[in-house]
Amino acid sequence: DSGVTQTPKHLITATGQRVTLRCSPRSGDLSVYWYQQSLDQGLQFLIQYYNGEERAKGNILERFSAQQFPDLHSELNLSSLELGDSALYFCASSVSPGGVDQPQHFGDGTRLSIL
Amino acid sequence: GENVEQHPSTLSVQEGDSAVIKCTYSDSASNYFPWYKQELGKRPQLIIDIRSNVGEKKDQRIAVTLNKTAKHFSLHITETQPEDSAVYFCAASNWNNDMRFGAGTRLTVKP
Repeated sequence: DSGVTQTPKHLITATGQRVTLRCSPRSGDLSVYWYQQSLDQGLQFLIQYYNGEERAKGNILERFSAQQFPDLHSELNLSSLELGDSALYFCASSVSPGGVDQPQHFGDGTRLSIL
Repeated sequence: GENVEQHPSTLSVQEGDSAVIKCTYSDSASNYFPWYKQELGKRPQLIIDIRSNVGEKKDQRIAVTLNKTAKHFSLHITETQPEDSAVYFCAASNWNNDMRFGAGTRLTVKP
């Protein structure tokens, strides 16, 4: 158990819909990262938050947005869903934004299936 | 920003042989290099990491080497076992950047 909690584990929805994925970081971690992993693909970095503030953006679509709340949990919102959005979405957390001795610890992911 | 390239994309070895996965990075300021193992349908798990002030680190059958001059680092697995079969990701980060991952290597260990 990494200490990072993601809900829900599975999500099935239709094209055009909107979903929210939730992540609770490990106790003491201030930084949260979101990744998308399509079938047999690598980890595509989407966005990073540190202590409530957006810190870095990767290849995140405009249809996607995220935020980190005062209690440090984070939500990833995906709207106007398309078939290609079907993927495993991982959240990871670390103590600080980056640098030496800062491994990211991953949650078990949310598997999103678009029908 | 940082760019990490990983090779090979797939690797098949016989049980008991060694496996080597190589990564190169572009940002000379990168100073932290973790390796993750991801089994099918599961989360990536940290297996070993190395900092820029160290050239090599070992943990039982796993070792990582770092060449800062050439900007490349490698994962070495000795005496491979079927349970080593997984996708392995390298990554690089520095004080200012988010961590960037390589594309992954699918390792298959044949019994």
